[in-house]
Amino acid sequence: DGGITQSPKYLFRKEGQNVTLSCEQNLNHDAMYWYRQDPGQGLRLIYYSQIVNDFQKGDIAEGYSVSREKKESFPLTVTSAQKNPTAFYLCASSIGTVYGYTFGSGTRLTVV
Amino acid sequence: AQKVTQAQTEISVVEKEDVTLDCVYETRDTTYYLFWYKQPPSGELVFLIRRNSFDEQNEISGRYSWNFQKSTSSFNFTITASQVVDSAVYFCALSGPTGGTSYGKLTFGQGTILTVHP
Repeated sequence: DGGITQSPKYLFRKEGQNVTLSCEQNLNHDAMYWYRQDPGQGLRLIYYSQIVNDFQKGDIAEGYSVSREKKESFPLTVTSAQKNPTAFYLCASSIGTVYGYTFGSGTRLTVV
Repeated sequence: AQKVTQAQTEISVVEKEDVTLDCVYETRDTTYYLFWYKQPPSGELVFLIRRNSFDEQNEISGRYSWNFQKSTSSFNFTITASQVVDSAVYFCALSGPTGGTSYGKLTFGQGTILTVHP
């Protein structure tokens, strides 16, 4: 079945360490997105990519980095510069935003 | 700039009650698309409905119905005879047309937490 796979489901990181969240899709979608979800704040866009080898900053890109070397993959790195990284991270893909998104099941990152 | 407002942060109802989730949006586009997503405790957002700005017909799908009113920029969602399984966070979202200034991303509301008690 086609879909989006995010791994791992739970991730723990020590302060000062970088960590990479995986997002893979087999839907043949051109566009991919990363969102951060905090309680009471809805979904905030971190980065998005509409095509391979191209990506744009979203509303809260500071402290994060991404790459889009393959159509299927859009990994997100949470760097040590991100001051408050504990959150739920959602990856999504789309064939076009007029059709909405397909979401992954999310990664819950906790900094310890 | 686009904006979506879900003024109800949390709603609590008893099973079998009807409940309406409000969504108000702002956009300068004349062509746009509205969505509702459900986020159950498992975390993954599930698509419920998509509506384009030229189609103001209300839609019903089982116990779910949607009321789109351009005059008030609202796209409200009603669950009839609510069930415990309806407990989730519900998000309203907005996108612009292909090639428009907001093309490439959805704008989400803050979400409404719905709890249905047995």
